[in-house]
Amino acid sequence: GQNIDQPTEMTATEGAIVQINCTYQTSGFNGLFWYQQHAGEAPTFLSYNVLDGLEEKGRFSSFLSRSKGYSYLLLKELQMKDSASYLCAVMDSNYQLIWGAGTKLIIKP
Amino acid sequence: GAVVSQHPSWVICKSGTSVKIECRSLDFQATTMFWYRQFPKQSLMLMATSNEGSKATYEQGVEKDKFLINHASLTLSTLTVTSAHPEDSSFYICSAREGDGSAYEQYFGPGTRLTVT
Repeated sequence: GQNIDQPTEMTATEGAIVQINCTYQTSGFNGLFWYQQHAGEAPTFLSYNVLDGLEEKGRFSSFLSRSKGYSYLLLKELQMKDSASYLCAVMDSNYQLIWGAGTKLIIKP
Repeated sequence: GAVVSQHPSWVICKSGTSVKIECRSLDFQATTMFWYRQFPKQSLMLMATSNEGSKATYEQGVEKDKFLINHASLTLSTLTVTSAHPEDSSFYICSAREGDGSAYEQYFGPGTRLTVT
C-alpha cells in the first residue's frame, strides 16, 4: 500500500529553526510536495522536489532523498505566523497526490 | 499566478436537502479537477478526480450517487451533495491542474465549509 508518515505535532520557539520530516512508500514517484495549511483555510503550495537534494526558497528549504524515501522541510527564523499544519504529499505514477496526515507546528514566543 | 475560486465559501443546510459547490479556474484551463474532504484535525481525503467532458473517478468508499460531480467545461466543476446528512458536514476543497498529467502543480480553491443541521 501507499503510505506517507510525518510527525503529528511539533513545537518550536520564535526565531529558531525547525525540521519537519516525511517518509514515504508509494507506487511510483513523480515528485514530493510540501503545503502549508492554516486552520480553516485551504493548503498553499510551498515546495516541489523531484530530484535529490536541497531546494531553498527564502526561509523555507526542502530536501529529498529518493533512495531513502525521505524528505524534510526546514523552516528558519521562525515567526508566529508560521504556526500552521504542514502537509507532505507525493505524486505517484498515476500523477495522483498521496497526502500525509500533516504536522501541526506550534510556535511559542 | 493561477487562481481557483469556490462558491459558496460556507453553507448551512437542513438534513435531506442537496447542496451544490462550484469550483472555477479563473485564469487557466483546468483539464483535471480534484475534490477533497477534510474533517477537523485530519488531512485531506481525495474524494474524486474529474476530467473535463468525462465521468469522474471516485475513490474507494465515496458514494458516486451521493456526491455528484460534473466537469462540464475547462473552467468549471461542480460537486453536489445529495440528501445531505449531519455526517456530511465537513470542509470541501477543490483543486485544479492545468494541462496533462505531467503538469505537477495543483492549485487549490479556498474551500467550502458545509454544515448540515
